Amino acid sequence: EPEVTQTPSHQVTQMGQEVILRCVPISNHLYFYWYRQILGQKVEFLVSFYNNEISEKSEIFDDQFSVERPDGSNFTLKIRSTKLEDSAMYFCASSEPAPLHFGNGTRLTVT
Amino acid sequence: AQKVTQAQTEISVVEKEDVTLDCVYETRDTTYYLFWYKQPPSGELVFLIRRNSFDEQNEISGRYSWNFQKSTSSFNFTITASQVVDSAVYFCALSLDSNYQLIWGAGTKLIIKP
Repeated sequence: EPEVTQTPSHQVTQMGQEVILRCVPISNHLYFYWYRQILGQKVEFLVSFYNNEISEKSEIFDDQFSVERPDGSNFTLKIRSTKLEDSAMYFCASSEPAPLHFGNGTRLTVT
Repeated sequence: AQKVTQAQTEISVVEKEDVTLDCVYETRDTTYYLFWYKQPPSGELVFLIRRNSFDEQNEISGRYSWNFQKSTSSFNFTITASQVVDSAVYFCALSLDSNYQLIWGAGTKLIIKP
């Protein structure tokens, strides 16, 4: 069964550094998403992406965040200058439009 | 505003017991979708079910069953004859619009003891 793949599974970075989280969505899916989950807390929506542009974003998704689909297969989330509070599990998801299929997540640790 | 409430923070049962996880949602929209996802200790999110607001039929999939009741805005999830491998956090979620952004409940941690 096709699946969403995310790399790396765990990323450790220093505060202030840029980080790029990578995702390969399911190939025939049209909608792409990033969610995050701070340890032990609720899953939070960050951004949705359709037709090569952001369709919706949350208040969390400020100017430090950006998304890109650079080559038609990858879907990336960039955090420009990481903060301690960015430490979380980041989930990529894709859909046809529904249901959402999630990747296994990237655990981001900002030190 | 839309909201999903999972009032049970943590449930602990002994293996082979049946267990029901509650989910109550709030929305004024007439068209919406409800989901359950499982998050095992390894952290990934696993899709279990999607239901649209026009389909109130209950669903059974093996040991899993779901009871959707619009009258009480509930979408409860029952595991029959629970197993240790069912131990996970279970999330209920709601989506309304065409981009299928999910509104999540806080999750219920289910512990199945051998």
